[in-house]
Amino acid sequence: DAGITQSPRHKVTETGTPVTLRCHQTENHRYMYWYRQDPGHGLRLIHYSYGVKDTDKGEVSDGYSVSRSKTEDFLLTLESATSSQTSVYFCAISPTGGPYEQYFGPGTRLTVT
Amino acid sequence: GENVEQHPSTLSVQEGDSAVIKCTYSDSASNYFPWYKQELGKGPQLIIDIRSNVGEKKDQRIAVTLNKTAKHFSLHITETQPEDSAVYFCAATPQQAGTALIFGKGTTLSVSS
Repeated sequence: DAGITQSPRHKVTETGTPVTLRCHQTENHRYMYWYRQDPGHGLRLIHYSYGVKDTDKGEVSDGYSVSRSKTEDFLLTLESATSSQTSVYFCAISPTGGPYEQYFGPGTRLTVT
Repeated sequence: GENVEQHPSTLSVQEGDSAVIKCTYSDSASNYFPWYKQELGKGPQLIIDIRSNVGEKKDQRIAVTLNKTAKHFSLHITETQPEDSAVYFCAATPQQAGTALIFGKGTTLSVSS
């Protein structure tokens, strides 16, 4: 998984609670991404980062925030989880940046009840 | 915006046969077309990619072809093996989206021995 770990790997939470997912890389790549994967929708970009404290929105960013205080860690926060955020979340990194050569982590399965 | 359509949604072949998965895209400015393989419970794995200035690229049993005029690209797997069984995703990157990859909805390939 390209030196990427995600934690937790599985989480069940209740509607309205805050949730933070962590992505950690061992290779100090500048570019990191968060995607969600849903049946019928494929993979969709939530947010991405192009450096420490440099982040931007993706296609489906509403309800999500991100932070990157260290090169190796990229955090995804659901401020107040909703059932529509039940999904599998994948982190990705790119050695080259932009859309190119994105390598994905193992994923976090999040269930919001 | 960019739209990527992928066909077929499921594909069953006998071991040793070839498999072809096709994708079409709508944004003529798209310039990068990766293919991912996803096994059950794992993150997508980049298996091959092609840029718009190249018509074909091969890597052992896998090849990708790109027809810019028709705006479609295809994944070809020769001499299929049971371990090729997985979900395959194509993606394209529209020029205006910068970092985003727009994914197709996936093809479930089953290789029977």
